[in-house]
Amino acid sequence: AQRVTQPEKLLSVFKGAPVELKCNYSYSGSPELFWYVQYSRQRLQLLLRHISRESIKGFTADLNKGETSFHLKKPFAQEEDSAMYYCALSGNTPLVFGKGTRLSVIA
Amino acid sequence: NAGVMQNPRHLVRRRGQEARLRCSPMKGHSHVYWYRQLPEEGLKFMVYLQKENIIDESGMPKERFSAEFPKEGPSILRIQQVVRGDSAAYFCASSPPGQRNTIYFGEGSWLTVV
Repeated sequence: AQRVTQPEKLLSVFKGAPVELKCNYSYSGSPELFWYVQYSRQRLQLLLRHISRESIKGFTADLNKGETSFHLKKPFAQEEDSAMYYCALSGNTPLVFGKGTRLSVIA
Repeated sequence: NAGVMQNPRHLVRRRGQEARLRCSPMKGHSHVYWYRQLPEEGLKFMVYLQKENIIDESGMPKERFSAEFPKEGPSILRIQQVVRGDSAAYFCASSPPGQRNTIYFGEGSWLTVV
């Protein structure tokens, strides 16, 4: 079965502090992992995907197959980063999402 | 490209009524997905459709819920005899042919059952 776990429901950090949003997955095959961001009552937007290995808005994520993790990181949080972040996995079914982590960046 | 269009954005229904949510995929996209987002919950996959064909409906409740994507016109998610527990945001997404992992979301339809 495909499963995505985001252990933190809410993460509050101060502006300029580093951010790490945790994501662990369960899948027996070779997964494709994604991070989506949702600003207040807006559509979900793709933030990044592990196969592209690019940095978007200063965020990066590395797939660690040994730890089955795909944590999202940013060295210096900005107020505009406040949003819901969803980790998602694609295996042999349509995208499966975690429950999301609400990031709140405090000025 | 207008993006994935959903309507209505907000819908209020009384218990027992029917709710119809519409989704027009992005131009050139042939695959449509419906997800439900309950308060304080993540996105739950409901159904995956191509034109005139349901590919995967493993996330659809067994009763009262149905979805279609006709040859012409938008995809429709239909909820019959709504109950309070159906109150949620319903997100549609679409992807181009052969790119199942490249999905784009609509802005969602918020259903409130009173």
